Amino acid sequence: QKEVEQDPGPLSVPEGAIVSLNCTYSNSAFQYFMWYRQYSRKGPELLMYTYSSGNKEDGRFTAQVDKSSKYISLFIRDSQPSDSATYLCAMSKGAQKLVFGQGTRLTINP
Amino acid sequence: NAGVMQNPRHLVRRRGQEARLRCSPVKGHSHVYWYRQLPEEGLKFMVYLQKENIIDESGMPKERFSAEFPKEGPSILRIQQVVRGDSAAYFCASSPGPTAGGDTQYFGPGTRLTVL
Repeated sequence: QKEVEQDPGPLSVPEGAIVSLNCTYSNSAFQYFMWYRQYSRKGPELLMYTYSSGNKEDGRFTAQVDKSSKYISLFIRDSQPSDSATYLCAMSKGAQKLVFGQGTRLTINP
Repeated sequence: NAGVMQNPRHLVRRRGQEARLRCSPVKGHSHVYWYRQLPEEGLKFMVYLQKENIIDESGMPKERFSAEFPKEGPSILRIQQVVRGDSAAYFCASSPGPTAGGDTQYFGPGTRLTVL
């Protein structure tokens, strides 16, 4: 069993739709949870950073962490074609290596 | 305010040659991480270094791979006697460290290694 599971997709939605991306994990020691966006042949770009359980909102993006269920989500509202990318969840115990999900490839269709 | 810089961006080597990948962290960051990304896969941790010290090398293959982060200059990931299975994108990330404002990792653009 992988430490972090993420549906690789691909996921294709129309412009303006709400997108939900999810990861589950098995290690209860994870305390820090991140979402990265990676465009084709580019480096990962940090989108959201959350400590422990709860919600965090930044513009059109909302990150949720439910440590009791070992489940994290990223919601994208009013999705745009420029949001088309691979989204990677990542987590750590703090000041240590990141453990990544496989990544979900997302396409927003105009 | 330059981000993480990696060079070369693309590297082609023949089997048996050596590959040297360089990473310059964000100015002021003293922590460097190396990750490898195989096609259609997520990033896998390789090694975590601070200046002149290897903190965690649990993800490094036991042979042919080494990493350093000297007091001066960039961090280097070295792969000796490359094989086709080493073909991948190698990403470097840096952070200021937990005592200097957090451990958020910022990634460079990567080096794409192709072994012929």
